[in-house]
Amino acid sequence: SQQGEEDPQALSIQEGENATMNCSYKTSINNLQWYRQNSGRGLVHLILIRSNEREKHSGRLRVTLDTSKKSSSLLITASRAADTASYFCATQYFGNEKLTFGTGTRLTIIP
Amino acid sequence: SQTIHQWPATLVQPVGSPLSLECTVEGTSNPNLYWYRQAAGRGLQLLFYSVGIGQISSEVPQNLSASRPQDRQFILSSKKLLLSDSGFYLCAWNANTEAFFGQGTRLTVV
Repeated sequence: SQQGEEDPQALSIQEGENATMNCSYKTSINNLQWYRQNSGRGLVHLILIRSNEREKHSGRLRVTLDTSKKSSSLLITASRAADTASYFCATQYFGNEKLTFGTGTRLTIIP
Repeated sequence: SQTIHQWPATLVQPVGSPLSLECTVEGTSNPNLYWYRQAAGRGLQLLFYSVGIGQISSEVPQNLSASRPQDRQFILSSKKLLLSDSGFYLCAWNANTEAFFGQGTRLTVV
């Protein structure tokens, strides 16, 4: 399976702390994307990083990509209670627009 | 702007009954369309994707089928539901990269 895997599966931190989630994948990718899912809802796109990029920022989000290790990390700085959600990475491979999702990290921010 | 509609939001169906979930997209043409299933607390499993009318790729063998009768319409069906078909079904579309999701259908087979 080309499915990515996130770790940890679950993460609980205090509000204001930083949260880091990791994603590993198996084959060469065109891009990697991170999504957020609030409980019982659809997924919302957060950020995309291309295979020739190593780091990207969007507001309080920072994404890194290490293609040699086939891994990515999502950092959420200064977490807020509203950041409580599940976070998924998704990969897209060259010549294939299909999006394959990882298993997700359930993030809980404790007020 | 583009929007995606998925309905119904929740559905309770008896074992052996048929299923039809519909997804429509507005504001774009020739989108790639996807059906995913998500078990409780789990990741997304890609069921079907389509790059055009009548073009369906199935990712896993199962009790479900998909059809794309129109450019912006994607339908997930079953002739006879199984208990194991219960789950959260998500429709999505993308053009090249970023995907946009519907709000999902919670299917419970009883």
